[in-house]
Amino acid sequence: EIVMTQSPATLSVSPGERATLSCRASQRISNNLAWYQQKPGQPPRLLIIDASTRATGIPARFSGSGSGTEFTLIISSLQSEDFALYYCQQYYNWWTFGQGTNVEVK
Amino acid sequence: QVQLVESGGGVVQPGTSLRLSCMASGFSFSSYAMHWVRQGPGKGLEWVAVMAYDGSNVYYTDSVKGRFTISRDNSKNTLYLEMNSLTPEDTAIYYCAKVWSGNYSPLHYWGQGTLVTVSS
Repeated sequence: EIVMTQSPATLSVSPGERATLSCRASQRISNNLAWYQQKPGQPPRLLIIDASTRATGIPARFSGSGSGTEFTLIISSLQSEDFALYYCQQYYNWWTFGQGTNVEVK
Repeated sequence: QVQLVESGGGVVQPGTSLRLSCMASGFSFSSYAMHWVRQGPGKGLEWVAVMAYDGSNVYYTDSVKGRFTISRDNSKNTLYLEMNSLTPEDTAIYYCAKVWSGNYSPLHYWGQGTLVTVSS
C-alpha cells in the first residue's frame, strides 16, 4: 500500500498570506495525485488533479506541483473560505489519502 | 448538475448487516466507475471500494474484503454497498463518489454521505 504523508498537520496562516502544504508518497506515483478541500459537515471538494491541474471552477489562487514522491499545494492569498482541511490522494496504485492538513486562522 | 444521494445508514449492533445506496443523477451513470469512501468520527478519509462502469471490476480495501460487497444497477442509476459482520471500527460517514474519468482517477463529485454507527 502506498502511504501518503502530509505536513504540517496544522498550518496557522493569516488571511491574505500564502499557505504551502506538503504531501509525500512512500513510493513514486508519477503525477497521479489529487488535492481535496473539506469543510466541517461537508464532503470533500476536488481541487487539483494530476498534481497540477485545477479542477472545474477552482480559483487560480490554488496551485499544485510535484511529481514522483514530493508534492505541494500552494494557496497564494488565503481567503476566509479557504480555512479548511486539505487532503492529498494518490491514484497510481489503488487509492490512498494523506491524513490531512488543517489550515487555520492565525 | 451532478447529484449523488446516499441513504441506508443508521445505528446497528456489531455483527449485523446494512445496505447503503447511492442514487445518481445529472450524468451518464453507466459510463463512470464509482467509489465508496468513508470517514470515521474526527478522522481522515479512507477509500473503501470501487466498481468499474459496467461492473466488470471491483476492488476493496483490505479491512473490508470478504465483508463488504459493492454493486450497481445501471438501469436505476444506483450504487450499493452491502456491509456484513459490522464492527465498531466500521463506524463512519460513508460517501459515494464519481470518478473524474477513466479507471485510476481522482474523485470528482461526492455525495453528502450517510452515517453508519456500529454500537451495542
